[in-house]
Amino acid sequence: EVQLLDSGGGLVQPGGSLRLSCAASGFTFSNYAMSWVRQAPGKGLEWVSHLSGGGGATYYADSVKGRFTISRDNSKNTLYLQMNSLRADDTAVYYCAKVSSLVGGSFPFDYWGQGTPVTVSS
Amino acid sequence: SYVLTQPPSVSVAPGQTARIPCGGNNIGSKSVHWYQQKPGQAPVLVVYDAGDRPAGIPERFSGSNSGNTATLTISRVEVGDEADYYCHVWDSNSDHYVFGTGTKVTVL
Repeated sequence: EVQLLDSGGGLVQPGGSLRLSCAASGFTFSNYAMSWVRQAPGKGLEWVSHLSGGGGATYYADSVKGRFTISRDNSKNTLYLQMNSLRADDTAVYYCAKVSSLVGGSFPFDYWGQGTPVTVSS
Repeated sequence: SYVLTQPPSVSVAPGQTARIPCGGNNIGSKSVHWYQQKPGQAPVLVVYDAGDRPAGIPERFSGSNSGNTATLTISRVEVGDEADYYCHVWDSNSDHYVFGTGTKVTVL
């Protein structure tokens, strides 16, 4: 059974940093691309970042480029999102999602984590 | 940047058919995926590549895609289908994933 367990969220002050983790199980982690998606309170889904299975291809939404870094440790079956220079508008529930292909592109997100909430506030 | 537009809400009586449009420039040339999200829960993939269903998703969920509009169709709507629905594509021009604005389906 595929499982994605998001963790690392919390309350952080504006300008601060946070690292999210997504522990994967039930599939060969290195064979699949992964993405992070967020949802601000009462709002829709917003794609944040993407990383191919081998780690060679990374993409970022314009709203987080230069502040967030996606990475993965295939030996630990874990995806990460390092978030720096956090702003109030980064407040959201962050979900990791498994892409149904090695590289990504026109493939769906077939499994999602339960989400971890991030609140940026002083 | 590529934009996907959905109506904020759709209302339907039990047993009837709900149709949720997703508008985008030449979306018919893209692979479109649909997600269902119930309150307090993570999204769930219900239709991919415009018309295929993952295992466990009822045949009542179907999709189509042509021109500038993709459509998710829910036949014989049940109270349990009440949720927010999002369309989703990959924009190869920007190397970005894009989600639609979301549609809340209310079963009257």
